[in-house]
Amino acid sequence: EVQLVESGGGLVQPGGSLRLSCAASGFTFSSYWMTWVRQAPGKGLEWVADIKQDGSETYYVDSVKGRFTISRDDAKNSLYLQMDSLRAEDSAVYYCAKEDLVWGSYRKFDYWGQGTLVTVSS
Amino acid sequence: AIRMTQSPSSFSASTGDRVTITCRASQGITSFLGWYQQKPGKAPKLLIYGTSTLQSGVPSRFSGSGSGTDFTLTISSLQSEDFATYYCQQYYSYPLTFGGGTKVEIK
Repeated sequence: EVQLVESGGGLVQPGGSLRLSCAASGFTFSSYWMTWVRQAPGKGLEWVADIKQDGSETYYVDSVKGRFTISRDDAKNSLYLQMDSLRAEDSAVYYCAKEDLVWGSYRKFDYWGQGTLVTVSS
Repeated sequence: AIRMTQSPSSFSASTGDRVTITCRASQGITSFLGWYQQKPGKAPKLLIYGTSTLQSGVPSRFSGSGSGTDFTLTISSLQSEDFATYYCQQYYSYPLTFGGGTKVEIK
């Protein structure tokens, strides 16, 4: 059974840092792209970042470029999101998701974690 | 960035109704579109990818169609467990973007 468990969320002051983790199990973690998606309270979904299997490619939404860093440790079956220079507008539930590429082209986020809440406030 | 616009943003329907949700992309995305369902307090669930391919385990009352800029999600006969918010997502180009969501409520 595929499981994704996020951790590391919490309350942080503006300008502060936080590192989110996502522990994966039930699939060959090293074989898949992984992604972070966030959802501000009462708002819609926003894709944040993703990372290729070997970590050689990473992509970010413009609003977090230069502040957030996605990484992975395949030996630990873990995905990370280092968040620096946090702003109030970064407050959200952060989900990690397994990203599958079907026929080499069709991306699908087929398994999601339960999310971890990040609140940026003084 | 490609903007995804869903309509309507919300509506009420009854069990057994046929419902259609529309998603429009600000530029052509060929068939690189997925649909997700989200219930309150829960993580999103993948329904459809590649515009029309049903994810394993998803009931056949869900279907997707479209290409280019205009896409639809159809639920042929709404069930009680289908009352939720639905999101489209394009993965034609980065940044990957979601639509604003369509909330389906009980009439």
